[in-house]
Amino acid sequence: DILMAQSPLSLPVTLGQPASISCRSSQSLVFRDGNTYLNWYQQRPGQSPRRLIYKVSNRDSGVPDRFSGSGSGTDFTLKISRVEAEDVGVYYCMQGVQRPYTFGQGTKLEI
Amino acid sequence: EVRLVESGGGLVQPGGSLRLSCRASGFTFSDYNMDWVRQAPGKGLEWVGRNWRKVDSYTIEYAASVKGRFSISRDDSKSSLYLQMNSLRTEDTAVYYCAGDYFGSYEFWGQGTLVTVSS
Repeated sequence: DILMAQSPLSLPVTLGQPASISCRSSQSLVFRDGNTYLNWYQQRPGQSPRRLIYKVSNRDSGVPDRFSGSGSGTDFTLKISRVEAEDVGVYYCMQGVQRPYTFGQGTKLEI
Repeated sequence: EVRLVESGGGLVQPGGSLRLSCRASGFTFSDYNMDWVRQAPGKGLEWVGRNWRKVDSYTIEYAASVKGRFSISRDDSKSSLYLQMNSLRTEDTAVYYCAGDYFGSYEFWGQGTLVTVSS
């Protein structure tokens, strides 16, 4: 299975300041079709996960543009340009290039 | 509006059984591969198993931790996914989510149903 490693695991932030989460995979997430299947999910307290970003940098409908994803190969980053109170929760990266899909450990973002 | 609604969770003794259901609406269920993903209290996300769609021969896969004890099925005519859980252990205690995958990503998630295995 592909291992996904996130850092940091805990991220204290100040409202209005930027935040960044790193995700590293144990092997390349580039599929034979040329796409890179790296996703980011947000899980607010008491809620189910919600997809924010798919294929590295594509934002889902309704996701604020302060969220952005970048990276390639095995190294990826989720950035929040200006943290808002509603961003509190746990963020997971997930690879979808090889079965079974695997998740990072999660990064807890707190104000 | 896309919805995945899980049901069937509850408290069960070790060694017992439980059947979870996931009812989908708002999207073409038969186009999606459907997975069960669980989350133990205070822990991360763990894949449980998958029921591939018809074009992928309805193939079923399981995580090693549940293989032989859990059984997944789907009924496209009812837009529903099922998880039959037998020989339950305390370590199976978790919120169980169904999730829809078109390719390489869980696009949709249910709200989850809590399974507690305890004597």
